[in-house]
Amino acid sequence: EVQLVDSGGGLVQPGGSLRLSCAASGFMFSSYWMSWVRQAPGKGLEWVANIKQDGSETDYVDSVKGRFTISRDNAKNSLYLQMNNLRAEDTAVYYCARYFGAERRFDYWGQGTLVTVSS
Amino acid sequence: DIQMTQSPSSVSASVGDRVAITCRASQTIGYYLNWYQQKPGKAPKLLIYAAYSLQRGVPSRFSGSGSGTGFTLTITNLQPEDFATYYCQQSFFSPPKFGQGTKVEIK
Repeated sequence: EVQLVDSGGGLVQPGGSLRLSCAASGFMFSSYWMSWVRQAPGKGLEWVANIKQDGSETDYVDSVKGRFTISRDNAKNSLYLQMNNLRAEDTAVYYCARYFGAERRFDYWGQGTLVTVSS
Repeated sequence: DIQMTQSPSSVSASVGDRVAITCRASQTIGYYLNWYQQKPGKAPKLLIYAAYSLQRGVPSRFSGSGSGTGFTLTITNLQPEDFATYYCQQSFFSPPKFGQGTKVEIK
């Protein structure tokens, strides 16, 4: 059974940093693109970042470029999101998701981890 | 940047009803359109991919149609567990973009 377990969220002050993790199991993690998607309180879904199977390619939504870094450790079946210089508008539930297929669909999701940026 | 527009923003319906949600893309995207269901406090769940393909394990009362710029998610014989928010997502252009969501509420 495919499982994605998100962790690392919490309360952080503006300008601070946080590292999110996603532990994957039940599938060959190293064979899939992976993503982070976020959802601000009461709002819709926003894609944040993607990373290729071997980590050689990454992509980000414009609003986080230069502040967030997506990475992975295939030996540990883990996905990460390093978030620096956090802003109030980064407050959201962050989901890791498997990004699959020619249709580029998010076919499995973690349960989400809440990041709150506030002083 | 491509824009994804869903309508209606919310719909009230009864158990057993047929509900149709539309999604319009500001540029043509072929069949690169996916649909998700999200219940309060839960992660989204993939329902339909490539405009009309049913994700494994999803009930057949969910169906998708359309291509190009106009797409529809149809739920026939609405069940109590179907009351949720539904999102479309285009995957033709980068970045992937979601619609704003349609909330299906109990009448």
